Amino acid sequence: DQQVKQNSPSLSVQEGRISILNCDYTNSMFDYFLWYKKYPAEGPTFLISISSIKDKNEDGRFTVFLNKSAKHLSLHIVPSQPGDSAVYFCAAITMDSSYKLIFGSGTRLLVRP
Amino acid sequence: ETGVTQSPTHLIKTRGQQVTLRCSSQSGHNTVSWYQQALGQGPQFIFQYYREEENGRGNFPPRFSGLQFPNYSSELNVNALELDDSALYLCASSLKTSATTDTQYFGPGTRLTVL
Repeated sequence: DQQVKQNSPSLSVQEGRISILNCDYTNSMFDYFLWYKKYPAEGPTFLISISSIKDKNEDGRFTVFLNKSAKHLSLHIVPSQPGDSAVYFCAAITMDSSYKLIFGSGTRLLVRP
Repeated sequence: ETGVTQSPTHLIKTRGQQVTLRCSSQSGHNTVSWYQQALGQGPQFIFQYYREEENGRGNFPPRFSGLQFPNYSSELNVNALELDDSALYLCASSLKTSATTDTQYFGPGTRLTVL
């Protein structure tokens, strides 16, 4: 029962272009969605989040869009830089006491110079 | 900036053995969560400890247990190891307040191999 899905295992883009990473979910009770970035030999690092009551959140080069009716969110990186090359995980949480993150399987982004 | 450390970095055990993994949370953080990341998958929630008490558990059997200590350290114990327990184990610390969006800071993980 995979509640958060990232159907693209990998993505390759040219430096300076836009990277779009997608995520789908099945549980309509999710309250927050988060994106984490993971470099090899490091733990995931929080990137950006969005509340379920919003449809867009922007932080510098990173923007997350949420489409609740489609149960879909996406992360846009503009412009993409080689240092953005990493594995990106989409995660979701519900407002219960345990605050457990439910992760997707990740998308490996490669930004080519 | 995260300040979360884990030990050991790598570990090799045989089936049936027991293992203890350790985590040192960021100073001041009252919550620690443990995740298992199998190869090619995202991290999967094992359990969370808040002020030294278990505060939620994922779909893992009782042979996975944990402890949280007052000095911001914590342990994940796994008994009767199985081959499928081979994975990267991540701990994440956070300062639990009334907001559900308290950021979780992850350590680099412990790579466990069960032979």
